[in-house]
Amino acid sequence: LAKTTQPISMDSYEGQEVNITCSHNNIATNDYITWYQQFPSQGPRFIIQGYKTKVTNEVASLFIPADRKSSTLSLPRVSLSDTAVYYCLVGDDGNSGYSTLTFGKGTMLLVSP
Amino acid sequence: DTAVSQTPKYLVTQMGNDKSIKCEQNLGHDTMYWYKQDSKKFLKIMFSYNNKELIINETVPNRFSPKSPDKAHLNLHINSLELGDSAVYFCASSRRRGANEKLFFGSGTQLSVL
Repeated sequence: LAKTTQPISMDSYEGQEVNITCSHNNIATNDYITWYQQFPSQGPRFIIQGYKTKVTNEVASLFIPADRKSSTLSLPRVSLSDTAVYYCLVGDDGNSGYSTLTFGKGTMLLVSP
Repeated sequence: DTAVSQTPKYLVTQMGNDKSIKCEQNLGHDTMYWYKQDSKKFLKIMFSYNNKELIINETVPNRFSPKSPDKAHLNLHINSLELGDSAVYFCASSRRRGANEKLFFGSGTQLSVL
């Protein structure tokens, strides 16, 4: 089981870059790393997914070192609206032949003015 | 159009009652899920269906019974509700089965059992 570990909370100010690191020491060869964002009273929303090196989209960047045992979600110039919980997930194929997606407790990011 | 919609958004009921939550997705996805988020915000998968076939059934009491009449719908029926069932229940879908598939979530159903 590819368990993930990420900080419980982080604080930042508007306009700063925020980096949230996730550890996944037992990641399997076929697993991708996926990040979701959840606002209060809403379901999680996909942000970014990667396998290795660096992935960038209009929202964030994802940095994955060569050993893939960790990953870092980078949010450039955060705003108040980026205050949310961020979940790091690693794909996991169960022994029964089906796949499950396990969400950890996430990182609560609080952006202040 | 909302991609994944679930109803009701709020559900307040007494212990012992039976209730249902409905979910529909208009994305043409093959796979649908039910997740439970408790007061500590831990999000745990309960069930998953792929093309109307149950493929994931985590350790969930028998009082919870999912039903998928077609691949666009996945409903959750809960019998004999207990206080501990109070949580937010999220429906989700993905294009196909697989741990690396992108999940699309509904906005949740806040269930309060009194």
